[in-house]
Amino acid sequence: AQSVTQPDIHITVSEGASLELRCNYSYGATPYLFWYVQSPGQGLQLLLKYFSGDTLVQGIKGFEAEFKRSQSSFNLRKPSVHWSDAAEYFCAVGPNAGNMLTFGGGTRLMVKP
Amino acid sequence: DSGVTQTPKHLITATGQRVTLRCSPRSGDLSVYWYQQSLDQGLQFLIQYYNGEERAKGNILERFSAQQFPDLHSELNLSSLELGDSALYFCASSGQANTGELFFGEGSRLTVL
Repeated sequence: AQSVTQPDIHITVSEGASLELRCNYSYGATPYLFWYVQSPGQGLQLLLKYFSGDTLVQGIKGFEAEFKRSQSSFNLRKPSVHWSDAAEYFCAVGPNAGNMLTFGGGTRLMVKP
Repeated sequence: DSGVTQTPKHLITATGQRVTLRCSPRSGDLSVYWYQQSLDQGLQFLIQYYNGEERAKGNILERFSAQQFPDLHSELNLSSLELGDSALYFCASSGQANTGELFFGEGSRLTVL
């Protein structure tokens, strides 16, 4: 069965610092991978997705993620964090586009001024 | 604003009761998904409907049921409620293009006392 692990439950970074959120997945075939962000009181918004091709994908709000098949990872990065990036971030894997996404436990990001 | 509308936003009820959560997908989206988010289980896929037909089923309890109506809105029915059913229930929709992007509503927070 597919699974997603986000090892860091909480991360605190200073505003302007770089950010990397870790995501490891277990999946029998080539996965479809996603990162979603959930702001307080809001639903989830898609940041970026990987289906195939270039393993470095760009998303909204200056985020990017790199798919590394050998490490079964899909880490999310941002070079300079803004206070508005404070939220919870979810990594997800799907058997096919948009269907039955399996989510990781989430990483709550706090940004220090 | 994702375009997905969920009602009610908050609901408090007692054990043993039954509630109905409603979801209106984005205009034109044929697929509706229901997810449950709780502190101990994280985000769990419950069920998917496509154009009125059940498409996929996840970790949905037998006490729970859903349907999608001809106008494409969906309802999630939760019966014989238990304390452990307290959670945030999200509805998401996706279009025919099946890009992998789910558009989430803001959720319905259910509290069972």
